[in-house]
Amino acid sequence: GAGVSQSPRYKVAKRGQDVALRCDPISGHVSLFWYQQALGQGPEFLTYFQNEAQLDKSGLPSDRFFAERPEGSVSTLKIQRTQQEDSAVYLCASSLVVRGEYNEQFFGPGTRLTVL
Amino acid sequence: KQEVTQIPAALSVPEGENLVLNCSFTDSAIYNLQWFRQDPGKGLTSLLLIQSSQREQTSGRLNASLDKSSGRSTLYIAASQPGDSATYLCAVRAAGNKLTFGGGTRVLVKP
Repeated sequence: GAGVSQSPRYKVAKRGQDVALRCDPISGHVSLFWYQQALGQGPEFLTYFQNEAQLDKSGLPSDRFFAERPEGSVSTLKIQRTQQEDSAVYLCASSLVVRGEYNEQFFGPGTRLTVL
Repeated sequence: KQEVTQIPAALSVPEGENLVLNCSFTDSAIYNLQWFRQDPGKGLTSLLLIQSSQREQTSGRLNASLDKSSGRSTLYIAASQPGDSATYLCAVRAAGNKLTFGGGTRVLVKP
């Protein structure tokens, strides 16, 4: 595909359920990022991968959040025992160059998670 | 900790008027700054990327300036159109690879 894709686009979960959100980055992009966007706010960084290595997970709000990218391509963000405050849009982005000047990040359409 | 602020939070203009969107950041040690557009219920579309060594970037009716020393960037959109209605976000990349975003400016261009 030409861009970053995410699935599902919408997810409704009951409080306490586990959810898994998928991101397919642009082919060949080394870096992959997850962001969380609450309603009416700008996105906030969650975690970052370079190939399969998770280099920064400082933005994950709790140990209920877990992300992986086992083969350096597709990534999954898992949220265990969801809470209402987890309701947000989860955005995935990828970029081609890790270091150097050109580090433009390309974003997917997001997954809107609603926890009831 | 880097903080990014966008003022105003919302802006309404008549069609044809030029738009001026402001972004400020607290730590001037950035690698680049990116402007995005977000339509309701959609992801982010990258508009312009300005490297820290650059002063401005232009694409069509869009022009973005960067003054790193004062921690400011401005996005100008000339001759606004109703299709320009969206939320505009700025984000800076500093140490590490993550982007730090502002809260966005919600723009409405009235026909």
